[in-house]
Amino acid sequence: GQQLNQSPQSMFIQEGEDVSMNCTSSSIFNTWLWYKQDPGEGPVLLIALYKAGELTSNGRLTAQFGITRKDSFLNISASIPSDVGIYFCAGHRGTSYDKVIFGPGTSLSVIP
Amino acid sequence: DVKVTQSSRYLVKRTGEKVFLECVQDMDHENMFWYRQDPGLGLRLIYFSYDVKMKEKGDIPEGYSVSREKKERFSLILESASTNQTSMYLCASSLFGRGHNSPLHFGNGTRLTVT
Repeated sequence: GQQLNQSPQSMFIQEGEDVSMNCTSSSIFNTWLWYKQDPGEGPVLLIALYKAGELTSNGRLTAQFGITRKDSFLNISASIPSDVGIYFCAGHRGTSYDKVIFGPGTSLSVIP
Repeated sequence: DVKVTQSSRYLVKRTGEKVFLECVQDMDHENMFWYRQDPGLGLRLIYFSYDVKMKEKGDIPEGYSVSREKKERFSLILESASTNQTSMYLCASSLFGRGHNSPLHFGNGTRLTVT
């Protein structure tokens, strides 16, 4: 079946550093989603992208829908301790009956 | 804000037991989903439902069943729990009728351990 790959699997960064992570697929998606899961909680939607090349920001977070429609990127600027968690990308082909496919996640740790 | 509530945060069950995981959402969403989350595998869809009394298999339905007798409630059932069903289980709901292309709202998860 369809699979998404996320890299890196985990990251340890100093507070204040910028963070970049990406998500790739062998298949084309028409929607890319980025979710964050805080420790002990369920994932929460951060950003949704609906168009190839689209760049969307949500506070310190910026995500891009890759031109090939097979990848997406998430950047976090000036990281803070509450950025800790697991970041999941998810792809959707766009029709009502296609399922959302989740990546394995990138675990982010921020060292104060 | 949408609230998706899972009845238990932690459960410990014995092999062979019948296990019920309950999920309730308070925003009149049509769609409800059950996922399991395992390290390195992300979220995998077990079952979903577009409407009351309606259910469809996800990617890994084996060993599970579901029940949706009321719109707000979606139950996941392990008929005979096995150790390989030890996992984090996440319930989610979404709006906009049939389909998967609207944002998912997740509960906080139930961590099930089968011994």
